[in-house]
Amino acid sequence: AQSVAQPEDQVNVAEGNPLTVKCTYSVSGNPYLFWYVQYPNRGLQFLLKYITGDNLVKGSYGFEAEFNKSQTSFHLKKPSALVSDSALYFCAVRDPPGGSYIPTFGRGTSLIVHP
Amino acid sequence: EAGVAQSPRYKIIEKRQSVAFWCNPISGHATLYWYQQILGQGPKLLIQFQNNGVVDDSQLPKDRFSAERLKGVDSTLKIQPAKLEDSAVYLCASSQQGRTTNEKLFFGSGTQLSVL
Repeated sequence: AQSVAQPEDQVNVAEGNPLTVKCTYSVSGNPYLFWYVQYPNRGLQFLLKYITGDNLVKGSYGFEAEFNKSQTSFHLKKPSALVSDSALYFCAVRDPPGGSYIPTFGRGTSLIVHP
Repeated sequence: EAGVAQSPRYKIIEKRQSVAFWCNPISGHATLYWYQQILGQGPKLLIQFQNNGVVDDSQLPKDRFSAERLKGVDSTLKIQPAKLEDSAVYLCASSQQGRTTNEKLFFGSGTQLSVL
């Protein structure tokens, strides 16, 4: 069965510093990977996805993610954090064609950016 | 473009009572999902519809939860009777086709349920 792991409950970073939110996955075949962000009292919003091609994927709000097949990771990154980036971040995986099609989410990582 | 609409926004009930949540997906989206998000956890899929048919309901506690999407548009999720452990945010999401697994999901703001 497919799964994702987000090993950190919380990530703290100072404004202006680079940030990384970690995600590892387990899926048979080539994965479809996603990052979503959730602001307080809001639903999840799509940030970016990896399907195939370039291992560095660029998304909304200056975020990017690096796909690493050998390490089965898909870490979310941003070169310079903003206070407004403080939110809950979820990594998700979907089986490739022929799989279950069920989007499976990690438990989330709370990002706190300090002024 | 209107987003995914959910109601009510909040609901407080006592255990053993029943409750219903409503979702109206983005117009034209064929696939609709109901997720349960317990505090401190990631969203867990309860049921997935493709038009008005169920694609997956393997994680739906069918002894107390039910869901329908009769006309392939809006959907209702019901809990009867509710238990304390059902306290969670219930998220509805939709996507254009669903069978194309590289599609992103569009989420509503959720219904926060508290069972006392």
